[in-house]
Amino acid sequence: QVQLQESGPGLVKPSETLSLTCSVSDASMRNYYFSWIRQPPGGGLEWIGYVHYDGYTSYSPSLKSRVTMSVDKSKNQFSLKLSSGTAADTAVYYCARPVAVNNPDAFHIWGQGTLVTVSS
Amino acid sequence: QSALTQPPSASGSPGQSVTISCTGSSSDVGGYNHVSWYQQHPGKAPKLMIYEVNKRPSGVPDRFSGSKSGNTASLTVSGLQAEDEADYYCNSYAGSNNYVFGTGTKVTVL
Repeated sequence: QVQLQESGPGLVKPSETLSLTCSVSDASMRNYYFSWIRQPPGGGLEWIGYVHYDGYTSYSPSLKSRVTMSVDKSKNQFSLKLSSGTAADTAVYYCARPVAVNNPDAFHIWGQGTLVTVSS
Repeated sequence: QSALTQPPSASGSPGQSVTISCTGSSSDVGGYNHVSWYQQHPGKAPKLMIYEVNKRPSGVPDRFSGSKSGNTASLTVSGLQAEDEADYYCNSYAGSNNYVFGTGTKVTVL
């Protein structure tokens, strides 16, 4: 079964950009949407946005001004950049793949999550 | 968009049933049949339990079922087992290519 693995710095300074990568274990990225979801310590889940294999994106209205997502097909990876970090961005960040191709719904395959702390 | 509303907690004894509600609006839950439910144990990634209101992914026990009426979706866990103790989150399509999660419900098996 396909596996997802998040990677990136665990500590980001305030006002700097948070950058994460999600690696997909096999070549099954084609035609899938990949979402980023985060969870602050002790808090609930928040959908950040998605990027499609062909580069289409959609971002949460509350984060849209600071989010950029992209795909690197050659590396079987997709990435998240969140600019102007604040303490409120401290969270476990997950990448997730849905149940079916060409359908962003229903986050079925998840990475194990990576904790990013925004602090000086 | 605001988070969907779930009760903070729910509980039941082993073998009993528990139902968790997820209330939104006509702009999300009520407007689309794209509601999914996730189970999360402490320190673990969420697990998809129900999608498209009432479909179960392969491997999810049929003790888990979903439904929707108006602006409220529900997840029912029948025949509660100790391993069902976890946090549960709903998620819905909210239009304009956006998705929104619920506030989460902690299920306790007494």
